Amino acid sequence: GAVVSQHPSWVICKSGTSVKIECRSLDFQATTMFWYRQFPKQSLMLMATSNEGSKATYEQGVEKDKFLINHASLTLSTLTVTSAHPEDSSFYICSARSRGGLSNQPQHFGDGTRLSIL
Amino acid sequence: GDSVTQMEGPVTLSEEAFLTINCTYTATGYPSLFWYVQYPGEGLQLLLKATKADDKGSNKGFEATYRKETTSFHLEKGSVQVSDSAVYFCALSSYGGSQGNLIFGKGTKLSVKP
Repeated sequence: GAVVSQHPSWVICKSGTSVKIECRSLDFQATTMFWYRQFPKQSLMLMATSNEGSKATYEQGVEKDKFLINHASLTLSTLTVTSAHPEDSSFYICSARSRGGLSNQPQHFGDGTRLSIL
Repeated sequence: GDSVTQMEGPVTLSEEAFLTINCTYTATGYPSLFWYVQYPGEGLQLLLKATKADDKGSNKGFEATYRKETTSFHLEKGSVQVSDSAVYFCALSSYGGSQGNLIFGKGTKLSVKP
């Protein structure tokens, strides 16, 4: 089945540093990738949608300059949390939908990245 | 806007008990409906889906039927196992939307005791 790899799975870093999270579709081409944030014991909140070769579409309230998204190829999207602070600590999950996939096709999720900012 | 409401947990059951997790939705148009499962420390896995009214999605003993008249997509399993312990998310994706974003319910944590 479709596999999405997310890396790293866990990162701890100091406040003020930037952290890059990678999301790769391993066995299919993903035209669209999604980035979610999940707070403890809460649901997933969509942060942004990225389409290969174009700018990401951010949800209301998500800072574009804070959360940089790049979708340079059909198999890779990256989320960079710039100048991270403790309030950015969270579980970040990416998902991908295959090329040509309609909105009624499922998204395939990575295993998530737990980000802890000290 | 579109939304998903699912029963709050946690739900605690004994092994082999019957499971129902309620999910209702509000949407314009004709959404597709999904159940995802999240095991501890992991991402989400698609459990089942239904794309039109009266469709029944099923997988690993779980079932859910797309009920347009009641705008519901309740998850059921006849006999749960300890390995079913996880958080279950109901979600919808509006067909025809430019992105087909998933809108999730808040999740229901299921704990199955031996």
